[in-house]
Amino acid sequence: QVHLQESGPGLVKPSGTLSLTCDVSGDSINNNHWWSWVRQPPGKGLEWIGDIYHTGTTNYNPSLKSRVAISVDKSKNQFSLRLRSVTAADTAVYYCARHVSVPVEAWFDPWGQGTLVSVSS
Amino acid sequence: DIVMTQSPDSLAVSLGERATINCKSSQGVLYRPNNKNYLAWYQQKPGQPPKLLVYWASTREPGVPDRFIGSGSGTDFTLTISSLQAEDVALYYCQQYYNIPWTFGPGTKVEIK
Repeated sequence: QVHLQESGPGLVKPSGTLSLTCDVSGDSINNNHWWSWVRQPPGKGLEWIGDIYHTGTTNYNPSLKSRVAISVDKSKNQFSLRLRSVTAADTAVYYCARHVSVPVEAWFDPWGQGTLVSVSS
Repeated sequence: DIVMTQSPDSLAVSLGERATINCKSSQGVLYRPNNKNYLAWYQQKPGQPPKLLVYWASTREPGVPDRFIGSGSGTDFTLTISSLQAEDVALYYCQQYYNIPWTFGPGTKVEIK
């Protein structure tokens, strides 16, 4: 069974950098899927942030592209998110998810449990 | 960007009755070479991550009860819960995977009347 788990600081200061890691178990990050980050502000809907393939190829949401970097560590079977210059608008539950490829990116399954990151001084 | 809209925002249905959720995309998500609609549906319960219910607009994920039925093509899609159960109380989201950026609808809240 595939399991994803997010980890990282729950509080980031304004103008700082949000950093999260997603540990993948039950599947190899080298397999033919993409790996995504999705966020959900409190009480609001879902926003795709970006994804990465095991080769290091990335796609980003244009709305966040200037501030986002996603990387992969194949040796640890994990991938990471960095979002810089954060503001209160970046406060959200951040999910990592496997982006099933058929062969192009398609649906998200499964998802991690999510981690709440608050931006506050 | 493909903008996804959903209606209604919320609905209350009696146990055992039908719930119908609509999703509309700002442009078609039917890929004609394979005749597949690049659309998925998710269920999200409070404090939980979204759970995949349906992909290719109408293919139920294994393990999902058959009361969840996805339909539609092109720009207009529907998720029907044929006989609402108490455990179906949740938010439901549609998502297109036709074009980057992958986008979600704003969600529909389903409650018990």
